[in-house]
Amino acid sequence: EPEVTQTPSHQVTQMGQEVILRCVPISNHLYFYWYRQILGQKVEFLVSFYNNEISEKSEIFDDQFSVERPDGSNFTLKIRSTKLEDSAMYFCASSVETGGIYEQYFGPGTRLTVT
Amino acid sequence: DAKTTQPNSMESNEEEPVHLPCNHSTISGTDYIHWYRQLPSQGPEYVIHGLTSNVNNRMASLAIAEDRKSSTLILHRATLRDAAVYYCILRDWGSQGNLIFGKGTKLSVKP
Repeated sequence: EPEVTQTPSHQVTQMGQEVILRCVPISNHLYFYWYRQILGQKVEFLVSFYNNEISEKSEIFDDQFSVERPDGSNFTLKIRSTKLEDSAMYFCASSVETGGIYEQYFGPGTRLTVT
Repeated sequence: DAKTTQPNSMESNEEEPVHLPCNHSTISGTDYIHWYRQLPSQGPEYVIHGLTSNVNNRMASLAIAEDRKSSTLILHRATLRDAAVYYCILRDWGSQGNLIFGKGTKLSVKP
């Protein structure tokens, strides 16, 4: 069964450093998403992406964040200058439209630890 | 998106049915009811969705009240692997955007 994959599984970085989190969505999916989950808290939406542009973003997704689909398979989330509060699990998801319904398939996540 | 209300936690015994309730009294006519779950240390996982009629798939059943103000996710025989947080989420038909996760119901399954 096709699945969303994410790398790395765990990233440790120092405050102020740039990080890039990578995702490979399911191959025929056209809609891509990033979510995050701070330890013990709710899953929070960051951004959705379709047709090579951002379609929706939350207030969390400020100028420090960017997304890119650099080739036909990868979907990346970049944090330019990490803060301690960026420590969280980051989940990538992808979906395809079926009869007006968009089931989202999530990856296993990348645990980001900012020290 | 309309709000949903779920119990914080529920317990079940292995191999017994589990009924997870969700209230959504402000649901609109075009809102679909989606259920996702999150197993420990994993990403969320789609379970099932429905509009008006009851739905079945290999994972679960979804029973929707006639007035659509509530629904129940039914796991017919709980296994230890079903221990997870279950989220009931309303999505407007055609909405491809973000899922808004609440706190969900944490299901514990006892052997």
